[in-house]
Amino acid sequence: QSALTQPASVSGSPGQSVTISCTGTSNDVGGHDYVSWYQQIPGKAPKLIIFDVTKRPSGVSNRFSGSKSDITASLTISGLQAEDEATYYCSSYIRSNTLIFGGGTKVTVL
Amino acid sequence: EVQLVESGGGLVKPGGSLRLSCAASGFIFNDYNMNWVRQAPGKGLEWVSSITSRSTYTRYADSVTGRFTISRDNDKSSLFLQMNSLRAEDTAVYYCARDRKRAAPSYSLDVWGQGTTVTVSS
Repeated sequence: QSALTQPASVSGSPGQSVTISCTGTSNDVGGHDYVSWYQQIPGKAPKLIIFDVTKRPSGVSNRFSGSKSDITASLTISGLQAEDEATYYCSSYIRSNTLIFGGGTKVTVL
Repeated sequence: EVQLVESGGGLVKPGGSLRLSCAASGFIFNDYNMNWVRQAPGKGLEWVSSITSRSTYTRYADSVTGRFTISRDNDKSSLFLQMNSLRAEDTAVYYCARDRKRAAPSYSLDVWGQGTTVTVSS
């Protein structure tokens, strides 16, 4: 099973919005609503920021939002801030308690 | 405070074995499914293995099937990963991570440890 496809990098100026795509197949992203997004700052453990495609854990900024269309999920960061500079990973349930991650997208705040 | 602390990483020769541990605290460990996720140097996240709350089911990535074994001791709130026949490509930081929901899988991981580093090299 190949990793989900994400762009290697995206960038934006403070205050702008950026969107990261995560493309899979009908066997993973397109087959259910168990898509999550994680934020990882260098040297730190990943942090869950979106689950079940659109939901935010308590304490996560509402500037982060998720969506999905067919086999592609997306993470949008609105009102980009310097603290949002990190690598973002999508993940999806495949089958029988197994998960797959995307390759990661580095977000740069210009 | 909800916390996961991994240990057991180190330097091992190809073909060798290593056992990772993850100590959980601050939550009812035996209510949650648990996972191992790894990250090779400069690379992305790779899901490795999962185990249900009562150890009923275990699952593995194709890359480690037959070589790694996940287990848990609910009495000691601990998760383990026995790694055998290690290869250079197993070199990574290994994270233990908790499934977000109690008593049912959510396929999202809301609590992560700080990671333990495994280096496979001669």
